[in-house]
Amino acid sequence: NAGVTQTPKFQVLKTGQSMTLQCAQDMNHEYMSWYRQDPGMGLRLIHYSVGAGITDQGEVPNGYNVSRSTTEDFPLRLLSAAPSQTSVYFCASSYSPASSYEQYFGPGTRLTVT
Amino acid sequence: AQKVTQAQTEISVVEKEDVTLDCVYETRDTTYYLFWYKQPPSGELVFLIRRNSFDEQNEISGRYSWNFQKSTSSFNFTITASQVVDSAVYFCALSEAGNQFYFGTGTSLTVIP
Repeated sequence: NAGVTQTPKFQVLKTGQSMTLQCAQDMNHEYMSWYRQDPGMGLRLIHYSVGAGITDQGEVPNGYNVSRSTTEDFPLRLLSAAPSQTSVYFCASSYSPASSYEQYFGPGTRLTVT
Repeated sequence: AQKVTQAQTEISVVEKEDVTLDCVYETRDTTYYLFWYKQPPSGELVFLIRRNSFDEQNEISGRYSWNFQKSTSSFNFTITASQVVDSAVYFCALSEAGNQFYFGTGTSLTVIP
């Protein structure tokens, strides 16, 4: 199993540009989530999904969109990038309910918005 | 207010010393779950332990041990006889409703050889 994969690993955007961070898992996990990690802030939940077609907001959802059309994929879209979205983004997955299982994290995407 | 507080931002110990990482949480739920994750310098996040609110039994796994005390809302993590490979950032996390997770700000541990 590849586990949780994320692409790209690094990305530089200009303010106002849009892009999609890709996340895929091959463990047939129902639960998937996106976090951002900022210095001194820990990890903060952006959006999560408990299954295909079901998504919900986390702690810091503004500026981000998600969709879950398949069990395997959970892309994160930045519609109009802002410097405040400079961060490291982690995708994670687990069986559901997520609290009963460990989360598997992807390697992260380092995003810089100039 | 922070749901998970890790007051120790950075800790340095000399190899073979014991070290305890503190975690204090806040919740009104009776059912909740607590986690510890490790993030080594390479950047990946590694699951260490999960504990539910009904199980206050302490746990030991090799050099690692966890002390869960509901009375003080704490879930502390102790590394015995620390090694250089233990150098990492350690995160404590809380889950209340099963799908939302709250992470602390992390404790950066440096083990000096």
